[in-house]
Amino acid sequence: ETGVTQTPRHLVMGMTNKKSLKCEQHLGHNAMYWYKQSAKKPLELMFVYNFKEQTENNSVPSRFSPECPNSSHLFLHLHTLQPEDSALYLCASSQDLAGGLGQETQYFGPGTRLLVL
Amino acid sequence: AQKITQTQPGMFVQEKEAVTLDCTYDTSDPSYGLFWYKQPSSGEMIFLIYQGSYDQQNATEGRYSLNFQKARKSANLVISASQLGDSAMYFCAMREDTGGFKTIFGAGTRLFVKA
Repeated sequence: ETGVTQTPRHLVMGMTNKKSLKCEQHLGHNAMYWYKQSAKKPLELMFVYNFKEQTENNSVPSRFSPECPNSSHLFLHLHTLQPEDSALYLCASSQDLAGGLGQETQYFGPGTRLLVL
Repeated sequence: AQKITQTQPGMFVQEKEAVTLDCTYDTSDPSYGLFWYKQPSSGEMIFLIYQGSYDQQNATEGRYSLNFQKARKSANLVISASQLGDSAMYFCAMREDTGGFKTIFGAGTRLFVKA
């Protein structure tokens, strides 16, 4: 079982659809993250969860709604997205919160490639 | 201003040769960590190497080494003895002590290893 899995791997949705991205980590980590990777922008942190509690919301629009039911699972609920939301959405986990000077390593999943039409 | 700058959008290297991927960073925080990640075509970001701002020695991990020049704010990745499997995107990233959980990534460099 690979460390961090994401489903689906590819998703095409219309602007009026509602869909969810799922992330699962099998590493026993306590912190989980959502990142957005757009074609022409560097990787951007969206949300951070630690022990199921959200610790960071990096000014993400409300059409993205995260959910963390337990330390192993992280969801990203999508509704009324815009074409500019098309991107690769990466989930990551780390043993403890990766902050500041610390060397805490983040382990990434393969991503969900989202296309909004 | 960009915090992480990777000036090489693409690089070619012959198999078995060494290659240097450039990264410069901008911060006024004396405490920070620098990271390099590899992203193959499959999508996942793979951690390669870490350098703390107070580390005296350059970090090394197998074939990867980080050429840390603090005064120049440069953190170049050196890959020795390139392999075909090294072909991928490489991202330099930084986390500032005052930046909380925010890891700032550069735009990346695509490395092509030729047989």
